[in-house]
Amino acid sequence: GENVEQHPSTLSVQEGDSAVIKCTYSDSASNYFPWYKQELGKRPQLIIDIRSNVGEKKDQRIAVTLNKTAKHFSLHITETQPEDSAVYFCAARAGTASKLTFGTGTRLQVTL
Amino acid sequence: DTEVTQTPKHLVMGMTNKKSLKCEQHMGHRAMYWYKQKAKKPPELMFVYSYEKLSINESVPSRFSPECPNSSLLNLHLHALQPEDSALYLCASSQEPAQETQYFGPGTRLLVL
Repeated sequence: GENVEQHPSTLSVQEGDSAVIKCTYSDSASNYFPWYKQELGKRPQLIIDIRSNVGEKKDQRIAVTLNKTAKHFSLHITETQPEDSAVYFCAARAGTASKLTFGTGTRLQVTL
Repeated sequence: DTEVTQTPKHLVMGMTNKKSLKCEQHMGHRAMYWYKQKAKKPPELMFVYSYEKLSINESVPSRFSPECPNSSLLNLHLHALQPEDSALYLCASSQEPAQETQYFGPGTRLLVL
């Protein structure tokens, strides 16, 4: 089955700096890659996603890049703000499967 | 209505109790999911319902019993749970079974004593 690895497990940045979180996946059939943000005690919320026919996608301060050859994808957050502090999970879905396989999560702390 | 709702928010139960978790969505989604999330871990898929039929059971112990009474509702019946079953139980839904975007409910935080 699919295996998704995520790094780093914790990341601390100063407000205004950029943050990058990286994930690798094992199943070459995976074609959908969402990123979820989960604040303490809250539900995971989809913040951005990318499909395998696209190399990069941007939404304001958030961008995701995908390298299908290397089987890795990354989340980029620019101009970080304290409200960006949360746990971020990457995930992958293969083909027409219903199952999302999640990475282990990155705890992002944005300090003032 | 663009949300997935779950009740109760918190639940404490003994190992001999029977309880149920409820999930509801009114977005017309045809796929619904149960996930279990332990502290500081990612969500782990338990069950998938596709058009009100169970399509995936991730080898979940029989003390967890899912039910999909209609396209808007999803239940998780709990019986004879163990303390290690204490976790956040998340429901999610998506437009179609293989449709990518899954929307999560707020979860039920379960404590088994």
